[in-house]
Parts: sequence; structure tokens; C-alpha cells
Amino acid sequence: SAVISQKPSRDICQRGTSLTIQCQVDSQVTMMFWYRQQPGQSLTLIATANQGSEATYESGFVIDKFPISRPNLTFSTLTVSNMSPEDSSIYLCSAGGGRGDKNIQYFGAGTRLSVL
Amino acid sequence: GQQLNQSPQSMFIQEGEDVSMNCTSSSIFNTWLWYKQDPGEGPVLLIALYKAGELTSNGRLTAQFGITRKDSFLNISASIPSDVGIYFCAGLNTGGFKTIFGAGTRLFVKA
Repeated sequence: SAVISQKPSRDICQRGTSLTIQCQVDSQVTMMFWYRQQPGQSLTLIATANQGSEATYESGFVIDKFPISRPNLTFSTLTVSNMSPEDSSIYLCSAGGGRGDKNIQYFGAGTRLSVL
Repeated sequence: GQQLNQSPQSMFIQEGEDVSMNCTSSSIFNTWLWYKQDPGEGPVLLIALYKAGELTSNGRLTAQFGITRKDSFLNISASIPSDVGIYFCAGLNTGGFKTIFGAGTRLFVKA
């Protein structure tokens, strides 16, 4: 299994600012994903972070709002841009497709974002 | 698109009771997964099932991959307070990376 380190673990931000969340995996993985989760709710996939190319976004999410980088096989960032209170949520990074893990996704601890 | 129906949505039980939750889908999956999310943490993989009919245990947890490949259940025996959390089922097809998650079952255990 992969160990995922995500930071920051939480932040309180002002409306109109941007926050970049980092995700580091302890081994090379094929796939990395970003999810959003309202407290107590299920996981909503934002995008798949593709190494060396543009991320693949799910319906309702756009690159201008959630730019994603994936410079190598162990690291990705998600930026939440021009934040509003509606962006307050938990953001989760996951990784899968590492050696022997049969494409199972493993998750970071999440970033708890509050926008004032 | 593919969807998973997970039930129940929430459960309030007494410590020591057994718990059962399940997931159904209109689509076939090659892999069924069960995750647990503790408050303030990310989901953690509990059990992975790879073959129709497979029954797998992990301590007090037992999960089965349905014969039709369209359903799975998770049982927790003799629940304890630290079992509190959200349990997610997930379906995955090998060759693809997209994992479909259920809405979660919120478990509350009263000591």
C-alpha cells in the first residue's frame, strides 16, 4: 500500500484568496486523484491528476477554479482559486496503481478548508 | 454512469451488537472494497475482494463479494466504541482506475 502525506491539514482562508494543497506519495504511483467531501458526506471526485499532462476534470469542476499539477509519479498539488465560503470543505488526495496494489486507491488524511 | 446504493445510511447501535451493511449496483464490478473513515481522517482500506463469492475477514470484520458481482456486504461483530465512523463501499473494474464510491454508512456505537 501507499502512504499519502497531505498538507496543510487544515486552513482558514479569506474570500477571494487561493490555497494550494500538496500531496506526496511514498512510492511511485500511476494515478493520483483529488476529491471533495462535505463533512459527514460521501466523496466527490474533482479530477484525475495525470503525470506530465493536463488533469482530467469531472463534470462540474473546471481547471480555472481547481488547477492541478502532477510533475512526477509521487507528487501532486490542487489549488482552490478565488475562494468563496461555498468552497469550505474537506479536500482529499488519493493515489493508486502502485506496484502490486491492483489499482486500489489509498487516501491522505485530508485538508479541512474553511473560507470566511 | 455507474452508481452504488449503500445502506443503511446510518446506524445507532449498542456496544457489543453485530452490524451489517451492504452495497448494490446495477453494474458488475471486478473488485469490491470497503473503507472506514474516522472523524478528521481520510478513508482507510479495510478489506479488498477480488473474486465473486469471496468471503474475507479482517479481525471482527467480514466482507463478501456477491455471486452476481453486483453487490457486497460488510459485517462487524461485537461492536466497540472505536468502530464509530463512516464506512464506504467502493467498486472498481480492473483495467480502469475509476473507483465508484457508495454514499457511506454512518455508524454510531453507544457504550
